[in-house]
Amino acid sequence: QVHLVESGGGVVQPGRSLRLSCAASGFTFTAYGIHWVRQAPGKGLEWVTLISNDGSNKYFADSVKGRFTISRDNSKNTVSLQMDSLRVEDTAVYYCARAYCDGRKCFEPNAWGQGTPVTVSS
Amino acid sequence: DIQMTQSPSSVFASVGDRVTITCRASQGVNNFIAWFQHKPGIAPKSLIFATSKVQNGVPWRFSGTGSGTNFTLTITSLQPEDFATYYCQQYDTYPLTFGGGTKVEI
Repeated sequence: QVHLVESGGGVVQPGRSLRLSCAASGFTFTAYGIHWVRQAPGKGLEWVTLISNDGSNKYFADSVKGRFTISRDNSKNTVSLQMDSLRVEDTAVYYCARAYCDGRKCFEPNAWGQGTPVTVSS
Repeated sequence: DIQMTQSPSSVFASVGDRVTITCRASQGVNNFIAWFQHKPGIAPKSLIFATSKVQNGVPWRFSGTGSGTNFTLTITSLQPEDFATYYCQQYDTYPLTFGGGTKVEI
């Protein structure tokens, strides 16, 4: 059974950092990239970043580029999202989701975690 | 960035109704369109990928069509559990982008 579990969310002041984790199980982790998608209060879904299955490709939304970094440990089936210089507008529920990668392209999210809330407030 | 314009933003419907949601991309996306269902407080659910392919376990009443820049999600015979917000997403070009969402309400 495919299982994705996010952790690390919490309340943090503007300008500070937070590190989210996504733990995966129930599938061949090395065949899948991981997306992060967020939903701010009262807003729609916003794609944040993707790391490919082997970690060689990483993409970011313009809104987080230069502040967020993503990494993965294929020996532990985990992905980490390091969020630096956090802003009030980064407040959201953050979801990780897997995406099959075929060596040329990673595809759509097809299984999601339950999300972890992040609040950036002074 | 590719803009995804989704309409309507909300629709009122009854059980048994047919509901159609449209998404227009600002440029071609090679049919790399996905649709998702989202209910408050729970994980989004993937419904459709590659414009018209249904994810495993998704009921037959959900279908996707489209080409070029115009895409549609149709729910045939709406069920009580289908009241939710629906999003399209293009995954052709980074940054990936979602439509603004369509809330299907009773």
